[in-house]
Amino acid sequence: NAGVTQTPKFQVLKTGQSMTLQCAQDMNHNSMYWYRQDPGMGLRLIYYSASEGTTDKGEVPNGYNVSRLNKREFSLRLESAAPSQTSVYFCASRGPVDIQYFGAGTRLSVL
Amino acid sequence: SQQGEEDPQALSIQEGENATMNCSYKTSINNLQWYRQNSGRGLVHLILIRSNEREKHSGRLRVTLDTSKKSSSLLITASRAADTASYFCATDRGTSYGKLTFGQGTILTVHP
Repeated sequence: NAGVTQTPKFQVLKTGQSMTLQCAQDMNHNSMYWYRQDPGMGLRLIYYSASEGTTDKGEVPNGYNVSRLNKREFSLRLESAAPSQTSVYFCASRGPVDIQYFGAGTRLSVL
Repeated sequence: SQQGEEDPQALSIQEGENATMNCSYKTSINNLQWYRQNSGRGLVHLILIRSNEREKHSGRLRVTLDTSKKSSSLLITASRAADTASYFCATDRGTSYGKLTFGQGTILTVHP
């Protein structure tokens, strides 16, 4: 049982570079989410997807794009990374009783 | 903006003692959830309490919810060193697609 799998686990980028964070879940969940976690800030929602083919902005969407490729996969793209995007990124999916299941996170540093 | 405010920000206790963490929120909710995060790891769900419930238990965990005061508390009884982690409350307002709004968390340290 893999649950929610995120890749990569660590990444260092230079300002202006682009990258895609990958997320996949094997629990057949409809809803998926991307959060960022900064020290002392808890988790903030970047984007979410209620189902395959739909995406919506969360609390802090600026500088990010997402793709819900199929029911399993939900990717987060940084087109032009900025130092303010240095953070830990978590993907989650929601089960049938409103509980969210989280991946292990991607630690991103933008220099 | 953060829906939940947690108190205290940090808590340090000895093994065997009880740990109580509090969460306050601002708007009406459908349910409130507590999650745990070990250092460097993802969040793990602990317990969910719905707006029409006042108290729930799960093992050594006890959660209360007071919707009139818009507050919740998480009690961990007989703490163990392995309970050392950050604990987050998260509110579900029952709107689109189960979005959760997290508090900033309480860092719990349990000394052996």
